[in-house]
Amino acid sequence: EAGVTQFPSHSVIEKGQTVTLRCDPISGHDNLYWYRRVMGKEIKFLLHFVKESKQDESGMPNNRFLAERTGGTYSTLKVQPAELEDSGVYFCASSQNINQPQHFGDGTRLSIL
Amino acid sequence: QKEVEQNSGPLSVPEGAIASLNCTYSDRGSQSFFWYRQYSGKSPELIMFIYSNGDKEDGRFTAQLNKASQYVSLLIRDSQPSDSATYLCAVNMSGGATNKLIFGTGTLLAVQP
Repeated sequence: EAGVTQFPSHSVIEKGQTVTLRCDPISGHDNLYWYRRVMGKEIKFLLHFVKESKQDESGMPNNRFLAERTGGTYSTLKVQPAELEDSGVYFCASSQNINQPQHFGDGTRLSIL
Repeated sequence: QKEVEQNSGPLSVPEGAIASLNCTYSDRGSQSFFWYRQYSGKSPELIMFIYSNGDKEDGRFTAQLNKASQYVSLLIRDSQPSDSATYLCAVNMSGGATNKLIFGTGTLLAVQP
């Protein structure tokens, strides 16, 4: 069974540009989560999808971040325009249902110059 | 006060010894507790989860939970050099609509051959 897949693994962009991260959850997992780890800090929750619906987006930093999960399969996280403080590792996780443990992808390392 | 606290380490143990990793949490409503192992540049990998007070054993790993004292620990018996990684403690308040994980900063474990 394939795990959670994230693309790209690394992205380097300039301040003010737009970047889109993609996450493919484990097949059959309705729950999809985005997290972020900035330098020296703990991994922090961004938002939670149940199928295509946003269940909890309390961790989204500001309106420069837009997450979508059209069709309830893969998800994208777009940052527009990117700022220096957005640098970090963005993780995606999925679970079959809300009571099951979450399984993580390898993350996308985002560097804003 | 951080919501989930871990000693950042490094915790150094000799091969074959027992490694003891500790985690405290601030929210008494937390109901589910997870230990993830993360190798550098890789995804957090779930190794144990525990929901009830007491011990839960799985191979060389034992998770211990004490809700009254608000701590959860992970014991690794017969430590191997391959166990060297960062161990992340995570908690959530399951039972509600949100299933977000709150992470500690992680403890770096170094097993010396």
